[in-house]
Amino acid sequence: AQSVAQPEDQVNVAEGNPLTVKCTYSVSGNPYLFWYVQYPNRGLQFLLKYITGDNLVKGSYGFEAEFNKSQTSFHLKKPSALVSDSALYFCAVRDEMGSYIPTFGRGTSLIVHP
Amino acid sequence: EAGVAQSPRYKIIEKRQSVAFWCNPISGHATLYWYQQILGQGPKLLIQFQNNGVVDDSQLPKDRFSAERLKGVDSTLKIQPAKLEDSAVYLCASRPRIQETQYFGPGTRLLVL
Repeated sequence: AQSVAQPEDQVNVAEGNPLTVKCTYSVSGNPYLFWYVQYPNRGLQFLLKYITGDNLVKGSYGFEAEFNKSQTSFHLKKPSALVSDSALYFCAVRDEMGSYIPTFGRGTSLIVHP
Repeated sequence: EAGVAQSPRYKIIEKRQSVAFWCNPISGHATLYWYQQILGQGPKLLIQFQNNGVVDDSQLPKDRFSAERLKGVDSTLKIQPAKLEDSAVYLCASRPRIQETQYFGPGTRLLVL
């Protein structure tokens, strides 16, 4: 079975400050991990993914995420937040040995204050 | 490259009525997904197609929901009859055969009164 948890419903950060959106996962085998962003009244947009290789993954719009196997985490980060980053962020995981169906977290609302 | 297209964008119906949603995936994408996203939750998979065959429909409420992808391209999702708890955004996504990344459409927001 695979599952993903986003422990924070909302993250507030000031513009220009670093941001972190947390994600932890549980799988039987190796994880494939994803981050998506959803702007109001829009579908989900792919940000980045970890399949294998370097634990630090760089994605769109200056976002990056670090895969930590020992802590089963895949936190999303950005060095300097923009007001336009305000959106809903979803972490997703699928088990390498499973089907091509990822499980999505509940989502974390990121609010960047000017 | 055109994205995933969905229509309508919004739909309001009364309970017990029927409704249908349409999805046109990115050209060449063999895999198509329908998700239900209830307010405050992450997307939940309803059904996955590979070309015109169903791969997984284990979470589709088959007593009222149906979906088809007759020619392996466009897909329709139908609800008949609708219940109040079906109010949600219905997302369609597609994926190339050998890629992990799913590409989502803008969604159809359904309100059942």
